[in-house]
Amino acid sequence: GAGVSQSPRYKVTKRGQDVALRCDPISGHVSLYWYRQALGQGPEFLTYFNYEAQQDKSGLPNDRFSAERPEGSISTLTIQRTEQRDSAMYRCASSLPPSGTYNEQFFGPGTRLTVL
Amino acid sequence: AQSVTQLDSHVSVSEGTPVLLRCNYSSSYSPSLFWYVQHPNKGLQLLLKYTSAATLVKGINGFEAEFKKSETSFHLTKPSAHMSDAAEYFCVVSPLNTGFQKLVFGTGTRLLGRP
Repeated sequence: GAGVSQSPRYKVTKRGQDVALRCDPISGHVSLYWYRQALGQGPEFLTYFNYEAQQDKSGLPNDRFSAERPEGSISTLTIQRTEQRDSAMYRCASSLPPSGTYNEQFFGPGTRLTVL
Repeated sequence: AQSVTQLDSHVSVSEGTPVLLRCNYSSSYSPSLFWYVQHPNKGLQLLLKYTSAATLVKGINGFEAEFKKSETSFHLTKPSAHMSDAAEYFCVVSPLNTGFQKLVFGTGTRLLGRP
């Protein structure tokens, strides 16, 4: 079956440009997460959606970063006025809704963003 | 705040020898703990999870981990390494008090095959 997909897989942009990264979760997964992974580091949480509601955005580094999931399925992470420090792997994960036990988060392949 | 510390950035093993990847956690609450593996150019895959049931947890591909509260450790082991095990391994904690499953990753340990 289809897993989590992300597009583009690679994005090279110039400093100051806006970028939009797309995540297509596994069908039926209402929980969606965005993480950012710098080179040599583990992924860091950015934001969480339950259906279309953004329930936590505490990990977004500043107001240049925003995310949406208007119909509770596909999500877009947007970075405005990109800076070189934004260069990283951006990963999306989806899962069944939170319950009393852990529901596995399934990760996509990531989008490698390079800001020149 | 919850965090994990992976004590080794790189571990080298020969085929057939035991694997030990070390992880210590810090958590104010009873945590859920996981190990994820990342093969080159692939997404992260769950190896195993501890969620307050049995302290010895078995995962995929022959890996297992033991939750030791007294030592705040969750080390990953495998009796006999295979070359296909070469990858990056992340120890992960998820606090149970956030209302959703926020994952906090360690910095990773790269498992290398020694010829």
